[in-house]
Amino acid sequence: GNSVTQMEGPVTLSEEAFLTINCTYTATGYPSLFWYVQYPGEGLQLLLKATKADDKGSNKGFEATYRKETTSFHLEKGSVQVSDSAVYFCALSSRTDSWGKLQFGAGTQVVVTP
Amino acid sequence: EPEVTQTPSHQVTQMGQEVILRCVPISNHLYFYWYRQILGQKVEFLVSFYNNEISEKSEIFDDQFSVERPDGSNFTLKIRSTKLEDSAMYFCASEEDRALEKLFFGSGTQLSVL
Repeated sequence: GNSVTQMEGPVTLSEEAFLTINCTYTATGYPSLFWYVQYPGEGLQLLLKATKADDKGSNKGFEATYRKETTSFHLEKGSVQVSDSAVYFCALSSRTDSWGKLQFGAGTQVVVTP
Repeated sequence: EPEVTQTPSHQVTQMGQEVILRCVPISNHLYFYWYRQILGQKVEFLVSFYNNEISEKSEIFDDQFSVERPDGSNFTLKIRSTKLEDSAMYFCASEEDRALEKLFFGSGTQLSVL
C-alpha cells in the first residue's frame, strides 16, 4: 500500500539557517505530493504541493521537488525564521485510489531559535 | 481568510459513552473529511463525505462511527460507544473542489476517553 516516511524530529535550528526535511514515499501510479504545516494551536495548512514528476512546489520561501526516480519530496528553505517553528507533514494522495484521502508522514517538529 | 471551525477543542468522556464532535466547514466547500491522530502516531484518514453520503471510509471507521451533515452547515462525527483507543486528536477538513487538491483543516478536537 501507499506510505510516506519523513525524518524524525525535533529539528532545532538557529534563525537564518538552512532547513531540509527529508520525505520519501511508496505509491502505485502517480500520486500528488504535499507538505502541510501545523503551527501551534492551529489546524494543518497546505504549504505546497506538486502533482507530477519534476514539478516544484513553492510557497513562503519553502520549496520541494517531486523526484520520481528517488521517490522523494524533500522540503527546503534557505533561511528560516522563528515564525517557521511548526510541525511539518509530508503527504500523498493517490488519484488512482481516491481523491482527498491523504496519507501522511509522521510529522517533523521544527524549532527555530533566535 | 475563511476557516474550518471545530468544537469543542477538548472533550473528556467515559468509556462506553456516546460523543459527537462538531465541525463547521467553509461555506462553499462540497467535500468533507474526518482524520484523526493518536498521540505519537500518524494522522490517518477516517472518512470522506460528499453529496450527503459517505464517499469512502477506512478500516478504522467501523459501525461505532457515523457522520452527518444535519443542517447544511455543520458536519458531525459520532462515536456511539467510546473505547479507550478512541482517544486521539480528531481533525475535520473540507475542500471546495477535488481537482484543486487543497484540504482546509480545523484545529482539531482532542478526545480523551477515560
